[in-house]
Amino acid sequence: AQSVTQLDSQVPVFEEAPVELRCNYSSSVSVYLFWYVQYPNQGLQLLLKYLSGSTLVKGINGFEAEFNKSQTSFHLRKPSVHISDTAEYFCAVSWILTQGGSEKLVFGKGTKLTVNP
Amino acid sequence: NAGVTQTPKFRVLKTGQSMTLLCAQDMNHEYMYWYRQDPGMGLRLIHYSVGEGTTAKGEVPDGYNVSRLKKQNFLLGLESAAPSQTSVYFCASCGRRRNQPQHFGDGTRLSIL
Repeated sequence: AQSVTQLDSQVPVFEEAPVELRCNYSSSVSVYLFWYVQYPNQGLQLLLKYLSGSTLVKGINGFEAEFNKSQTSFHLRKPSVHISDTAEYFCAVSWILTQGGSEKLVFGKGTKLTVNP
Repeated sequence: NAGVTQTPKFRVLKTGQSMTLLCAQDMNHEYMYWYRQDPGMGLRLIHYSVGEGTTAKGEVPDGYNVSRLKKQNFLLGLESAAPSQTSVYFCASCGRRRNQPQHFGDGTRLSIL
C-alpha cells in the first residue's frame, strides 16, 4: 500500500535559521507531490507542488522542495525561517493508479515546526 | 471569494445523537472529499465524490454516510455518534483535471461526549 512518511513529528528552530522538513514515500511509480501548511485553527493551504519537470520546486513564503526519484523523497526547505512560519506542515502524495483511473491523495502525519525568537 | 465553506464550525454531541456536516464550494469543482484529522494521525480520507450523485468510500468510512445531491454541496452524516468520532473534520474540493491541488475548508471541530 502507498504510504507517506514524515520523519520528524516536531522540529524546533530559532528565527533566521535554515530548516528542512523531510518526506519519503513508498513507491517510485508516477506520483505527484504536494506540501501543505496548516496554521492553528485553520484548514490546509497549498505551499507548493511537483508535477513534472525541474526537480526543484519553489513555493510561497520562500519555501522550496526537491524531488528525488531514486530516494523517493520530497524534502521541504527554507533558508531562513520567521516566527510566522510556525505551523504544521503536511506532505501529500498522489499516485496514478491506472491509466485513466482515479488518483488517491495520501497525507503524511505532519511535522510541527516551531520557530523560536 | 468563499472557496470551501464548512458548517458548523464547532459542535458538541452526546453519544448516540445524529448530525450532518455541510460542505459547500463555489469553484465548480467536480471532486469533493471528507477527511478527519486526529493528533499524530495526519488526515485520513472518510468518503469522496467524483461528481454529482456519486460517492465512494475512503480509508475510514465506518460510522459515516455522505451524499452529493448537488455539485456544489457534499454532506457528511453521523447516524449515531460515538466518542471515537471526536475529531476535526475537513472538506476539500478540486477540479477534474489531473494534478489539481485540493482546496480545503477551515474545518469543523466535533466533540462527542
